[in-house]
Order: sequence, then C-alpha cells, then structure tokens
Amino acid sequence: QSVLTQPPSASGTPGQRVTISCSGSSSNIRSNAVNWYQQLPGTAPKLLIYTNNQRPSGVPDRFSGSKSGTSASLAISGLQSEDEADYYCASWDDSLHSHIFGTGTKVTVL
Amino acid sequence: EVQLLESGGGLVQPGGSLRLSCAASGFTFNIYAMSWVRQAPGKGLEWVSTIGGIDPFTLYADSVKGRFTISRDNSKNTLYLQMSSLRAEDTAVYYCTNRAGVAAAGTRYFEHWGQGTLVTVSS
Repeated sequence: QSVLTQPPSASGTPGQRVTISCSGSSSNIRSNAVNWYQQLPGTAPKLLIYTNNQRPSGVPDRFSGSKSGTSASLAISGLQSEDEADYYCASWDDSLHSHIFGTGTKVTVL
Repeated sequence: EVQLLESGGGLVQPGGSLRLSCAASGFTFNIYAMSWVRQAPGKGLEWVSTIGGIDPFTLYADSVKGRFTISRDNSKNTLYLQMSSLRAEDTAVYYCTNRAGVAAAGTRYFEHWGQGTLVTVSS
C-alpha cells in the first residue's frame, strides 16, 4: 500500500507547465530524498529525477524536481506530446524500513 | 551500456514456485545493491526486495516476507528471486533494477531498469 499520495491525473496543452505533487510524512520525504520515475505506455519505468532535483544524463532540463518538508513536486515545463506517461514519486521510509512509491499520476497532453 | 535482462516468468498455479533471474552487464555488478520491483496489471509500482552489493544485507516488503528469497551470484553477474507459496496477488511484471545512492545519506534510487518479466499466478 502506497504511503506517498499523488493526484491520479494531470493534463496540459503543448508548451504549458504541469506540476505533480507527492505528499508523504516525516518518516519518508522529510527524512529522505525523493526520486521520480517516468513510465511511457507499454515500457519499463525510467529514472527521471533523483535525490530531489538531480537529472540523470539525457533527461531534458524541462523536467525539474523540488522538495519541501513532507512534500515534493515534479514540474514539466514546455510540455510535449512525448511526455504523455505515468509518473511516480518514490522515497525510503524509515519507519517501514522499505522503499515506497507514490500512487502514480497519468499525464495527458491535450 | 547498462543492460538488465530478466527471465523466468510464466504461468504458475497458486501455491507454486518460480525463480526469476536477471543478467546484468555494462557496470560493476558486485558493488551495487540490486532490487526487484513489481507492477500488477493496470496498477502502480511496488518495491519487492533489495540485496546489498559490498554490504551483505537483504530487505523484503511485508507482502512477500517469508515467501520470496533474493540472492545474487557475482561471478555470473546475475540476480535471482526465488518465489514460493505464490498467490494470485503476486501476478505482476517483475523488474530488476540496480540501486544507486548512499543509504546513510538518505539517498537511494533505482537507476537502471530491465524490461521486466511477467509472472501470472492462476489455476
């Protein structure tokens, strides 16, 4: 059962900015880094943002991450059609002693 | 180029067993912690288990503890997941990932992912 809460969906037109929230608690997001994964339809997840705001090589700078307190956010600026995907936040939970994922957000480009 | 290639999935009856394998290449396998993450059909991601690299530890999600065993053979650059007492709710695509970051610093993340192998538990 997920302990990180995300909105089920988000949408925008090409070129717009879309933000996805990830809400946790003091035992996970406040104490540990947040990572974001992108899952394009029919494919395996891919690391998008690690350690709150770091982009792996090859990830466009249109994607950015931030963290404050017990919440985190992923922003997609200059939305493109190829950004249509499911996005998951993730962290470590000190109380559960386990990795946890968010509930996932489906991004639609209108 | 990092490659993670899972195999061993298939159809198994409830209560049965299955062993998944993940062949790794393109990175120094023995120094990385490795993990299994699964995704039930139409559902989100769920962490299953992690095994240490240099640091010999194993971790399991409560949902699989006592039924699944993670192991690795560094001489073969291969990760395994032995699954027993399988249940319908274990039906999922199972992904192999390497875990990067520094646990002591609170930074742990799944860096590279395989394409996944489907496990279906049904009679």
